[in-house]
Amino acid sequence: AQSVTQPDIHITVSEGASLELRCNYSYGATPYLFWYVQSPGQGLQLLLKYFSGDTLVQGIKGFEAEFKRSQSSFNLRKPSVHWSDAAEYFCAVGKPASGNTPLVFGKGTRLSVIA
Amino acid sequence: GAVVSQHPSRVICKSGTSVKIECRSLDFQATTMFWYRQFPKQSLMLMATSNEGSKATYEQGVEKDKFLINHASLTLSTLTVTSAHPEDSSFYICSARGGGGYNEQFFGPGTRLTVL
Repeated sequence: AQSVTQPDIHITVSEGASLELRCNYSYGATPYLFWYVQSPGQGLQLLLKYFSGDTLVQGIKGFEAEFKRSQSSFNLRKPSVHWSDAAEYFCAVGKPASGNTPLVFGKGTRLSVIA
Repeated sequence: GAVVSQHPSRVICKSGTSVKIECRSLDFQATTMFWYRQFPKQSLMLMATSNEGSKATYEQGVEKDKFLINHASLTLSTLTVTSAHPEDSSFYICSARGGGGYNEQFFGPGTRLTVL
């Protein structure tokens, strides 16, 4: 069964600084990978996804993520963080040809942005 | 992208009453829908998976008689919290997936349930 680990529960970054949120997955083959963001009291917004092809994926709001098969990782990055990026970030893994299999989520990383 | 709506966005009810939450796929046919529950500052916990026209499959520990799920059409699934109690207060999120090969899960905006 697939699983997702987000090692960092909470990260604080200064506005304008770079950001990297870590995500490691466990799956027997190449999974489909996702990053979502959730603001307080809101639903999930998809930032980016990886299905195949180029391992560096560009998403919305200036985010990107890189799939590294050798490290089973899909870390999320942003070169310059804005105060509005403060939110909860979830990494998720999906099974290709998934049918009824739902996405599996990590426990999330809460991002705080300070001035 | 595909749009999933939920109604209501917020509901407050008295203990012992039942509450129905609707999840609709607005521009695609959702062969599979998922219901998640999220406690404050925690990740999403899958409650059940439902396929149109068949009974939902519940995750271990989720009471199927308490959380009734109906997926009567390809665009609508409902979650009914029966005889709600304060411990059922939570954020409920639905997600829908179309058919044919792998399709993404599209998420609704969530419903905040508060049981007094």
